[in-house]
Amino acid sequence: DTGVSQDPRHKITKRGQNVTFRCDPISEHNRLYWYRQTLGQGPEFLTYFQNEAQLEKSRLLSDRFSAERPKGSFSTLEIQRTEQGDSAMYLCASSPTTSGTSNEQFFGPGTRLTVL
Amino acid sequence: GQNIDQPTEMTATEGAIVQINCTYQTSGFNGLFWYQQHAGEAPTFLSYNVLDGLEEKGRFSSFLSRSKGYSYLLLKELQMKDSASYLCAPHGYKLSFGAGTTVTVRA
Repeated sequence: DTGVSQDPRHKITKRGQNVTFRCDPISEHNRLYWYRQTLGQGPEFLTYFQNEAQLEKSRLLSDRFSAERPKGSFSTLEIQRTEQGDSAMYLCASSPTTSGTSNEQFFGPGTRLTVL
Repeated sequence: GQNIDQPTEMTATEGAIVQINCTYQTSGFNGLFWYQQHAGEAPTFLSYNVLDGLEEKGRFSSFLSRSKGYSYLLLKELQMKDSASYLCAPHGYKLSFGAGTTVTVRA
């Protein structure tokens, strides 16, 4: 395991369907983050976990979005009743609780969602 | 809240130097990251500044002035592979990203 992995890498779905993405962080990283990125923009924070506890949710995260990290390792992000505006790249990142003077986040390759 | 401002695009020739400026306002401040992101790929870490001053790391250097809410990333001896988006990310109580500066390196 050399990095953060995400599955699937690409997802095409029809409006109104539910989708679920998975993120496997770097082993022993306590913190896990989800971001959404649209073309020409930087990543927007969605939510983050410290171990299995979800410590913060962005106001961007409507009630159609839910994230879990049940055992403090991998995480899932579910979007219910998808809308065309949900089309974006969904990035996962992880970091150790402390990393010297850095809180560097290591990003996965992302899941690109297209809602038709 | 977070307010991050960086130029949208910059173009330079191979071998040249580029300075990407970033101004920010954050709720709290723990440090500032610069990330590089190639098209269609995930962001990768370049630098992290906590204290004021210049941090040099090979061809890339990053500067921070906390009192001015200002940072810059300096790219020296530009190579074609440096064509990418460069994201300024101040770390307040959470990490926030600017929209990124797309740098195009021309031969």
